[in-house]
Amino acid sequence: EDQVTQSPEALRLQEGESSSLNCSYTVSGLRGLFWYRQDPGKGPEFLFTLYSAGEEKEKERLKATLTKKESFLHITAPKPEDSATYLCAVQAVGGNQFYFGTGTSLTVIP
Amino acid sequence: GAGVSQSPSNKVTEKGKDVELRCDPISGHTALYWYRQSLGQGLEFLIYFQGNSAPDKSGLPSDRFSAERTGGSVSTLTIQRTQQEDSAVYLCASSPDFSSYEQYFGPGTRLTVT
Repeated sequence: EDQVTQSPEALRLQEGESSSLNCSYTVSGLRGLFWYRQDPGKGPEFLFTLYSAGEEKEKERLKATLTKKESFLHITAPKPEDSATYLCAVQAVGGNQFYFGTGTSLTVIP
Repeated sequence: GAGVSQSPSNKVTEKGKDVELRCDPISGHTALYWYRQSLGQGLEFLIYFQGNSAPDKSGLPSDRFSAERTGGSVSTLTIQRTQQEDSAVYLCASSPDFSSYEQYFGPGTRLTVT
């Protein structure tokens, strides 16, 4: 069964304190792995798509990496405005569904 | 440009009543998804529309749930005989086409069944 597990559930960081969020996945043939950011009361906002192991994508203070079993979202020198819930999702080859994890709630303290 | 819009933003209904939730995707986007997000749960796929193809309804939790998409644009999710466990945020997303993985989400409709 295709599934996604994210850890930790919640993370509190001091401003400037770098860390990583984890997304472990099980899928019968990965078509793509996706990272989204969700602010309270809003829909998720697309960040990255990763297609194959070894691939990396960067955007400002965020860097996403992918292995055959998991993905990491590295946050370098975070700022308070990076506070949000970060969601990971996968899509299997031949499927229409996107399987989402429950997210990591990130709080960056000034 | 205009993003995905959903209406209403909030809906409170009594158990047993029917509700309709509306999604206006980004103009020109052929793919449209409905999801349900419950407290502490990940986004749960409900249904997928792609162009004029038959929709993928494999995620609908029961036959009380149905959705349609008129003219390849606006979509309506209908929940009949609502139950308390239907309370959740219902999110709609659109993509330019199936080969594009970038989904653009609306703000959601928060449904509360009393």
